[in-house]
Amino acid sequence: DQQVKQNSPSLSVQEGRISILNCDYTNSMFDYFLWYKKYPAEGPTFLISISSIKDKNEDGRFTVFLNKSAKHLSLHIVPSQPGDSAVYFCAASSRRGSARQLTFGSGTQLTVLP
Amino acid sequence: NAGVTQTPKFQVLKTGQSMTLQCAQDMNHNSMYWYRQDPGMGLRLIYYSASEGTTDKGEVPNGYNVSRLNKREFSLRLESAAPSQTSVYFCASSEGQGWINEQFFGPGTRLTVL
Repeated sequence: DQQVKQNSPSLSVQEGRISILNCDYTNSMFDYFLWYKKYPAEGPTFLISISSIKDKNEDGRFTVFLNKSAKHLSLHIVPSQPGDSAVYFCAASSRRGSARQLTFGSGTQLTVLP
Repeated sequence: NAGVTQTPKFQVLKTGQSMTLQCAQDMNHNSMYWYRQDPGMGLRLIYYSASEGTTDKGEVPNGYNVSRLNKREFSLRLESAAPSQTSVYFCASSEGQGWINEQFFGPGTRLTVL
C-alpha cells in the first residue's frame, strides 16, 4: 500500500516553461514533506521542504505547494532549465511511536527540452 | 569535503554469499541511514543510526545487519545474499533529524545477486 504516490512516471517540458510535479499521499499523520532530485548514477540531493502548517514554500526557482484537504503537494520549477532534467522524489514524514519515519514516492522523471 | 562515500560502487554476488557495504561521511553528522531503491519504487529505509552507538530498524530490515563503527562510518552487511536483495543501496547522513531536514546521500552501490 503506497502511502506516497507520484502518479506520473515522466514529464517533458520546454526550456523556460513551468514544470509541475505532483505528489499525493494517504496518511493524514504526515506533517513534513520534502522533495529530492536525483541524477543518474548519483545519490538524491535535497531540494526543498514544507511543514504541514504551511501551504507554500519558495526557494529560488522552486516552490512547493501543499493542499492538506486534498492530501496533495506539488513542486513548481520556474523557469525550467535543461539541467533540471532528473528524477524527482517526494517524501513525507510522520511520527512512528517515539521516532519518525520517512516515506518516499516512486519518482517522476522530468525532461526539460532545449 | 568528500561528503558521503560508499564502497564498492558495483558488486555481483552468488546466492548465499555474504558481503559488507561500507559508508563513511566527513560532515560530522550524528545520524546515518541505509536505503534500498528498486525499479519503479521509491527509496525504502533498511536501518538507521540516530547517533553513534545506536541503530534501529527501518521499513525493510530483514536479511540485513548494520554496524555504526564510529561517528563517521556505518556499514551494512548481507549475511546470506538472496536474489530479492538485488537493488541499488544508498547511504545517507544528516546533522539532525533526517526525517524533516536534509539528508546527504552517497552515490550508491549497485548490487546484483545471482
